Amino acid sequence: DADVTQTPRNRITKTGKRIMLECSQTKGHDRMYWYRQDPGLGLRLIYYSFDVKDINKGEISDGYSVSRQAQAKFSLSLESAIPNQTALYFCATSIGGNQPQHFGDGTRLSIL
Amino acid sequence: GQQVMQIPQYQHVQEGEDFTTYCNSSTTLSNIQWYKQRPGGHPVFLIQLVKSGEVKKQKRLTFQFGEAKKNSSLHITATQTTDVGTYFCAGAYNFNKFYFGSGTKLNVKP
Repeated sequence: DADVTQTPRNRITKTGKRIMLECSQTKGHDRMYWYRQDPGLGLRLIYYSFDVKDINKGEISDGYSVSRQAQAKFSLSLESAIPNQTALYFCATSIGGNQPQHFGDGTRLSIL
Repeated sequence: GQQVMQIPQYQHVQEGEDFTTYCNSSTTLSNIQWYKQRPGGHPVFLIQLVKSGEVKKQKRLTFQFGEAKKNSSLHITATQTTDVGTYFCAGAYNFNKFYFGSGTKLNVKP
């Protein structure tokens, strides 16, 4: 959805670097999610946030941190990137837990 | 732990054949959603099932939620080349956190 924008779309970086992936939305949704996608593993939840003051760990939060700067913005950081964090990262939003999730176009991250 | 298993991993069919993908959880789900991801694209929501035994249809697609709310299936009748993509289920246990299946990649030969 164009309403969920991820930047950058592609990033190549080196081991040990700090990386920030950004997500912004114009849908007015309270809930935001960060997933990573690896071939054969589907999407795995890294962090999720129900509002600016409510941030929760997902299945695979180790090595990642997040910041919910505003209702519309949710950033994912890799403090010291490692090669096995190479993946496709998606941000998603929803109105509530029993509502559809709307995904951004993804960020393809490669760590050398 | 909480996990949603999905099979098969791949399915190659001739155009016009049917296709089914299955998802299973060892514990009861609160709801399950289905998504389609086209090659190079992002997941797009198809449908949500909440009630035990629920069946929903969208044209050639039929979605089912088991009576115990532990399994679900997506069936496509008479596949078309436009059906190509990866189909994911995503189950939740308390309406909050979704666990995605590993996906079924569908290839349709014209």
